[in-house]
Amino acid sequence: GENVEQHPSTLSVQEGDSAVIKCTYSDSASNYFPWYKQELGKRPQLIIDIRSNVGEKKDQRIAVTLNKTAKHFSLHITETQPEDSAVYFCAASIQEYGNKLVFGAGTILRVKS
Amino acid sequence: NAGVTQTPKFQVLKTGQSMTLQCAQDMNHEYMSWYRQDPGMGLRLIHYSVGAGITDQGEVPNGYNVSRSTTEDFPLRLLSAAPSQTSVYFCASSYSWDSSTKQYFGPGTRLTVT
Repeated sequence: GENVEQHPSTLSVQEGDSAVIKCTYSDSASNYFPWYKQELGKRPQLIIDIRSNVGEKKDQRIAVTLNKTAKHFSLHITETQPEDSAVYFCAASIQEYGNKLVFGAGTILRVKS
Repeated sequence: NAGVTQTPKFQVLKTGQSMTLQCAQDMNHEYMSWYRQDPGMGLRLIHYSVGAGITDQGEVPNGYNVSRSTTEDFPLRLLSAAPSQTSVYFCASSYSWDSSTKQYFGPGTRLTVT
């Protein structure tokens, strides 16, 4: 089945710097890659997603890139702010298996002011 | 719309007890699912449903049952609770079972089994 690996497990950046979180997936049939942000004690919130027919997507300070050949995708946050501090999860799903998401283990992002 | 709702927010069970975690959505979503979240392991799929009357197993289904008698509700039953089921449980829903449809999560239920 699909396996998603996420790195790093923790990331500390200074306010205003950029943060990059990387994920790799194992099944080349994966075609949808969402990113979720989870604040302490809260539910995961979808922040951006990308489909396999697109290489890059941007939404204000957040962007996601996808390299299908290498089977990896990345989350980029620019001009980080203290409120970006949270746990970020990547996930992947496969068309043939419907909307079943396989998640990475998560990255704790700390933005220091 | 209330979105995806879950009850209870917190629950403590003794080993061997049974209980049902409730999940409801008012968005007429076709697809609903249950995940458990354990420290350092992300979220893992327990069971899912692509519509009323249709359910299937996910990655970690043992010890849990589900049913989907209506579009709105998708309860998760723990048949005989075990300490290994201590976790945070999230219900999620999406408009379609299609793999690229956005999923929205409920607020979660924190379950402790002693």
